[in-house]
Amino acid sequence: GAVVSQHPSRVICKSGTSVKIECRSLDFQATTMFWYRQFPKQSLMLMATSNEGSKATYEQGVEKDKFLINHASLTLSTLTVTSAHPEDSSFYICSAGGTHSNYGYTFGSGTRLTVV
Amino acid sequence: KNQVEQSPQSLIILEGKNCTLQCNYTVSPFSNLRWYKQDTGRGPVSLTIMTFSENTKSNGRYTATLDADTKQSSLHITASQLSDSASYICRSGGSYIPTFGRGTSLIVHP
Repeated sequence: GAVVSQHPSRVICKSGTSVKIECRSLDFQATTMFWYRQFPKQSLMLMATSNEGSKATYEQGVEKDKFLINHASLTLSTLTVTSAHPEDSSFYICSAGGTHSNYGYTFGSGTRLTVV
Repeated sequence: KNQVEQSPQSLIILEGKNCTLQCNYTVSPFSNLRWYKQDTGRGPVSLTIMTFSENTKSNGRYTATLDADTKQSSLHITASQLSDSASYICRSGGSYIPTFGRGTSLIVHP
């Protein structure tokens, strides 16, 4: 149980375009979704936290107008990277929490974004 | 400031050998500690989770220990396999937002 499906797993886009990443909780209701980015050999860096039906809370230094997060339902959250630049190239991972666990959150499989 | 420090940063061992990874945390308040395995280009997968009242937790060849007094945890891998090559991440939970370590990169050679 507690499966989070994230896609796409890899995406290459041109500078200036937008990319949408989806995370779906398949067998539980994800009341909270964390979005992380991870650079090579680095730790997971929290970008934002979203609760279903509410606006996301962004970490300091993360541009909310650039990284649009939508959590309109209990099974789906999306992260849209707008006007992507090469420096946005990274590994993006979602982590969903809900009624399935008191302690833990389940990670998606990640999305490798390359902006050329 | 909540912090999680992991050591070593990287480790290379031969297949079949045992190894131990370390995690020190300064998270407060503390409620649980979790070890993850992250394969390259994949999301982390939970190996073990322990609350402050638990000293050890096993998952197959993985055994995690927790000393809440010294705020240290270790992950012991027994009889390593090539598929154990991955990053191992320690995460401490207490406040609403968990704190992750930078991970230990483990390479198992045949």
